[in-house]
Amino acid sequence: QVQLQESGPGLVKPSQTLSLTCNVSGNSITTDDYYWSWLRQPPGKGLEWIGYIYYTGTTYYAPSLKSRVSISFDASKNQVSLRLTFVTAADTAVYFCARNTDGYSSYFDHWGQGTLVTVSS
Amino acid sequence: EIVMTQSPATLSVSPGEGATLSCRASESVGSKLAWYQHKPGQAPRLLIYGASTRATGIPARFSGSGSGTEFTLTINSLQSEDFAVYFCQEYKNWPPWTFGQGTKVEIK
Repeated sequence: QVQLQESGPGLVKPSQTLSLTCNVSGNSITTDDYYWSWLRQPPGKGLEWIGYIYYTGTTYYAPSLKSRVSISFDASKNQVSLRLTFVTAADTAVYFCARNTDGYSSYFDHWGQGTLVTVSS
Repeated sequence: EIVMTQSPATLSVSPGEGATLSCRASESVGSKLAWYQHKPGQAPRLLIYGASTRATGIPARFSGSGSGTEFTLTINSLQSEDFAVYFCQEYKNWPPWTFGQGTKVEIK
């Protein structure tokens, strides 16, 4: 059974860096079958895809966030990480990690429950 | 970027009744459309992909239809566990893949 669990600080100050980790169990993140994505949902708004990473280290980011975001993984811990720099209140959201089956055209077949990050001084 | 619009925003339904949820794309996405169910504090669950294919373990009371720009999720005979938020997602081509704002199905 594939499970994903996000973790990280629930409060980040403006202009600082948001860092989250997604712990994956039941599926190695270094297989060539899947991609690993981060998404977010600001309060009262729809979901926004942030980016993904593939086991080769290939990443792909949403153009709107590309200059501030990086996704990496730690194979030894089977974890995927998200960093978002220079955060503002607009980055306040529930952040999700999810698994997708393709890097070009894909839905998300497994998700974490999400973690709320609030940007505030 | 493709814009996904869902309607209605909220749907009030009595247990045992059916529900029809709509999702419209700003341009054709073919059959590259997925539906998800999301309950507060839980992980979103994939219900439908390819516009009409049920994901593993999804009950037959959930069905998806449509192609191009107009899609429908139908839930027959709602059970108590079906009251949740439902959102659609297009995955026509290169990211960013986009989502609808969601439809909340609440108990009438």
